[in-house]
Amino acid sequence: EPEVTQTPSHQVTQMGQEVILRCVPISNHLYFYWYRQILGQKVEFLVSFYNNEISEKSEIFDDQFSVERPDGSNFTLKIRSTKLEDSAMYFCASSNQWGPEAFFGQGTRLTVV
Amino acid sequence: SQQGEEDPQALSIQEGENATMNCSYKTSINNLQWYRQNSGRGLVHLILIRSNEREKHSGRLRVTLDTSKKSSSLLITASRAADTASYFCALTGNQFYFGTGTSLTVIP
Repeated sequence: EPEVTQTPSHQVTQMGQEVILRCVPISNHLYFYWYRQILGQKVEFLVSFYNNEISEKSEIFDDQFSVERPDGSNFTLKIRSTKLEDSAMYFCASSNQWGPEAFFGQGTRLTVV
Repeated sequence: SQQGEEDPQALSIQEGENATMNCSYKTSINNLQWYRQNSGRGLVHLILIRSNEREKHSGRLRVTLDTSKKSSSLLITASRAADTASYFCALTGNQFYFGTGTSLTVIP
């Protein structure tokens, strides 16, 4: 069964460092998303991406964040200068239509120290 | 807010009992989905119900949607210990809006 895969599963980084979270969406999907979940809190939308550009982004997705689809298979989230409050589980998702059922990856747990 | 709000926040039942979780929302939706999240793990899609549907079944899951009341319920019948997880409703318009979740504990 096709699935969204995310790497790494856990990343520890020092405050101020850049991190890149990687996702391989399901191959025929066209819409890609990043969400995050701070421990104990709800899942929050970060950004959606379609046709090689950002479709929508939340207020959380500030200038420190960027997304890229560097090739035909990967979808990355970069945080330029991490802060302690960026510590969270980051989920990638993809869908083959806008809105309905999305498939989520297992998440990358980012710990900023 | 376009986020769903689930209740109860926590639910503890004995194995074999049914579990009912509710989701209320404030805006119009295209469809509503329920997801499960095991502790520290990713989100697993359970079921999608479209705004023109009233009820949907999938195995031991039954979802209802009442758009006039802006609410949905997820019923898990004959619960198992493996059903222990957090359950979220997600509203879909142009993106997904997740609620805060119901933490379900099924006691063996």
